[in-house]
Amino acid sequence: AQSVTQLDSHVSVSEGTPVLLRCNYSSSYSPSLFWYVQHPNKGLQLLLKYTSAATLVKGINGFEAEFKKSETSFHLTKPSAHMSDAAEYFCVVSDGGDDKIIFGKGTRLHILP
Amino acid sequence: DAGITQSPRHKVTETGTPVTLRCHQTENHRYMYWYRQDPGHGLRLIHYSYGVKDTDKGEVSDGYSVSRSKTEDFLLTLESATSSQTSVYFCAISRTGESLVYEQFFGPGTRLTVL
Repeated sequence: AQSVTQLDSHVSVSEGTPVLLRCNYSSSYSPSLFWYVQHPNKGLQLLLKYTSAATLVKGINGFEAEFKKSETSFHLTKPSAHMSDAAEYFCVVSDGGDDKIIFGKGTRLHILP
Repeated sequence: DAGITQSPRHKVTETGTPVTLRCHQTENHRYMYWYRQDPGHGLRLIHYSYGVKDTDKGEVSDGYSVSRSKTEDFLLTLESATSSQTSVYFCAISRTGESLVYEQFFGPGTRLTVL
């Protein structure tokens, strides 16, 4: 059975400093992995996705994530945080079944001025 | 933005009343999904559809039914609303096919309050 764990429910960083949001997954197959962002009172927007091509995936707004099979991780990073990055971030794993798309519980990112 | 709308955007109702939420897409995607979002739970799948009249249950389907009579519309019905169904409901669509790339596009959400 597949699962996804976001290791931090809240992360606070100062503007201009690096961001690290951690995600570990479990899957019996070669999974697809995604990061979505949700700004307050908005729907979810795709940041980036991994689908068994390059292990370092670049997304929108300067975010990137690295797929590490040995560590079963897919951590989201950004070199320099911006105030507009304040939002909730969801890590998602799918092993290909229509009902097998599993969302993490989310990490709320706070940006300090 | 993908052409997905949800209606209503906000609704307050009383326990025991029926409620129908509508998701409408203009993308002609085959797959449509209903999720609920609750604090501390992320998004949980209620039902999904893989074509007209083809639907299946998700993780938290009890108390919900769905219908899809047209490609563009996916309805979620709470036959008799309960307070535990107070939540934000999101519709999503996907261009799924042979690959595992289950990229989803989300609607703006419907905030439902059951008193």
